[in-house]
Amino acid sequence: SQKIEQNSEALNIQEGKTATLTCNYTNYSPAYLQWYRQDPGRGPVFLLLIRENEKEKRKERLKVTFDTTLKQSLFHITASQPADSATYLCALVRGNEKLTFGTGTRLTIIP
Amino acid sequence: DVKVTQSSRYLVKRTGEKVFLECVQDMDHENMFWYRQDPGLGLRLIYFSYDVKMKEKGDIPEGYSVSREKKERFSLILESASTNQTSMYLCASRAPGLAGGREQFFGPGTRLTVL
Repeated sequence: SQKIEQNSEALNIQEGKTATLTCNYTNYSPAYLQWYRQDPGRGPVFLLLIRENEKEKRKERLKVTFDTTLKQSLFHITASQPADSATYLCALVRGNEKLTFGTGTRLTIIP
Repeated sequence: DVKVTQSSRYLVKRTGEKVFLECVQDMDHENMFWYRQDPGLGLRLIYFSYDVKMKEKGDIPEGYSVSREKKERFSLILESASTNQTSMYLCASRAPGLAGGREQFFGPGTRLTVL
């Protein structure tokens, strides 16, 4: 079955630095990969989507890469701010429109 | 502003009770989903629905059923609640088409405790 691993359960980054989160997957070749942000006690909020034929996608301070050879996606937040502190989830899109989520990385930006 | 609402933020029930979790979306979406979220396990899909009166099992449907009588409303039913169903339950909706190319919109979640 498909498996997704987000390599760090928790990540602490100094304010202003770039935070890089990793999502690795096995036993699948997704056409799409999505990233969500989740704040404590709230539902996830969609951030970015990247297609298998896209190497990179950007949105303001966010950047996502998708390497289908390595079976890996990287999620970057540049010029990080304390308000970026949250749990970030990656999700593979399965062929029938269902999502398989990773367990998330809890990011803390330290002032 | 798009919105997915869930009937309760917190719910406490006793073992054996029948539990209804309600979800309503105002985006006219055909697709709706129920997940549970547990520490270390992430979000897992329980059931989803492509349209009114249509449903399909997700990855962990055992002990649950669903109802979709109207497009905007998707209900999750725990027929006989058990302690291992204590969890955060999240509802989501999504516009159809562009398979995988559309985001899911999530509700705020219901934290259910079964005693």
